[in-house]
Amino acid sequence: EAGVAQSPRYKIIEKRQSVAFWCNPISGHATLYWYQQILGQGPKLLIQFQNNGVVDDSQLPKDRFSAERLKGVDSTLKIQPAKLEDSAVYLCASSLVRGQGKLFTEAFFGQGTRLTVV
Amino acid sequence: LAKTTQPISMDSYEGQEVNITCSHNNIATNDYITWYQQFPSQGPRFIIQGYKTKVTNEVASLFIPADRKSSTLSLPRVSLSDTAVYYCLVNQAGTALIFGKGTTLSVSS
Repeated sequence: EAGVAQSPRYKIIEKRQSVAFWCNPISGHATLYWYQQILGQGPKLLIQFQNNGVVDDSQLPKDRFSAERLKGVDSTLKIQPAKLEDSAVYLCASSLVRGQGKLFTEAFFGQGTRLTVV
Repeated sequence: LAKTTQPISMDSYEGQEVNITCSHNNIATNDYITWYQQFPSQGPRFIIQGYKTKVTNEVASLFIPADRKSSTLSLPRVSLSDTAVYYCLVNQAGTALIFGKGTTLSVSS
């Protein structure tokens, strides 16, 4: 079974530039998450999708971050304009929806995109 | 905010058993206890999950007392490759995972 795919693996941009990250979840996984992980900290949830609808985006800095999942499969996370403090690893994860024959929905993570803002 | 408290770091030697305890005093009736492992430059990976008593799989054991206010992840006979960050989480099935800072386990020879 293919895992969660993310691209690019690494990105270096200057502050005030824009950047986009792409995620392809595991086939059949209706739930998709984006996390931000700053060095030395645990992952922080940015947004959760169920199919193409947003379930939770309370931690997403909406003045500069946006995310979409138009067809309920792939997702894109964008930052515009980037700040120095956005330097982090951006992780995408996916899981089955509760009720699809499983009580516990394990989340599978991609390898992440390491963003450096200079 | 994370609903758990766990040690920041632990040290061990190869071949020893490692027990990492997590405190979750405000766990809700519908919450499950889940542990994830994260190696450098990789995303977290599911290790084990439980609701009460003891759960064992090929990787680890999870001990949960009757009051469920804490849990202990037990890693038998650790090796150098078990050096990683271990996260304890509590959440309801189907909800987003909220991570704390985790426990950095360092295994040396």
